[in-house]
Amino acid sequence: DTGVSQDPRHKITKRGQNVTFRCDPISEHNRLYWYRQTLGQGPEFLTYFQNEAQLEKSRLLSDRFSAERPKGSFSTLEIQRTEQGDSAMYLCASSLEQGFPNEKLFFGSGTQLSVL
Amino acid sequence: AQKITQTQPGMFVQEKEAVTLDCTYDTSDPSYGLFWYKQPSSGEMIFLIYQGSYDQQNATEGRYSLNFQKARKSANLVISASQLGDSAMYFCAMRGDNTGGFKTIFGAGTRLFVKA
Repeated sequence: DTGVSQDPRHKITKRGQNVTFRCDPISEHNRLYWYRQTLGQGPEFLTYFQNEAQLEKSRLLSDRFSAERPKGSFSTLEIQRTEQGDSAMYLCASSLEQGFPNEKLFFGSGTQLSVL
Repeated sequence: AQKITQTQPGMFVQEKEAVTLDCTYDTSDPSYGLFWYKQPSSGEMIFLIYQGSYDQQNATEGRYSLNFQKARKSANLVISASQLGDSAMYFCAMRGDNTGGFKTIFGAGTRLFVKA
């Protein structure tokens, strides 16, 4: 069990550029979540996958955001035409579906995005 | 709508003493789960403890216990015998069913400072 891995750890970009983040969940976990966390706040839900199916997207996820999990393993989160308001920590979490409502999430260390 | 409220932005505790971190929640779901996560300065969220809404007894995990008062909709975290390594952000979280869309939502967090 190597834990949830996120890449890169830090990303600095200029406004208007596209960025892509990657998340590798714990291998046997079938659920994968993306959250966004700004300074001094708790994580805000963005989207989640069960295997390769994207089952829910937050209203926070504008048309500039897209997420994929093509083979039910790793996932990517892309932000197009970045804005300064996109600056945040992007957290990935995975879990093994074990029945409702107990679902313990395992988090990665996050990708810190700074949009200049 | 579901909501988690943590009213203590910061808390101080003397090493070896106990501390209570407050959490209240709002949901109309009949079944739900409550969680506490710790986020050290390294950024990775770590699961601490879980309480199901139908659990008769309060959850305990080592030095962590959850004081669950269903009628008051509160789920306070008690840390006994505080250690310097307990200094971190602590987040209360909840997972509901249909109205929550099966995702976990988080409060704004409480920063705990343990003094030597």
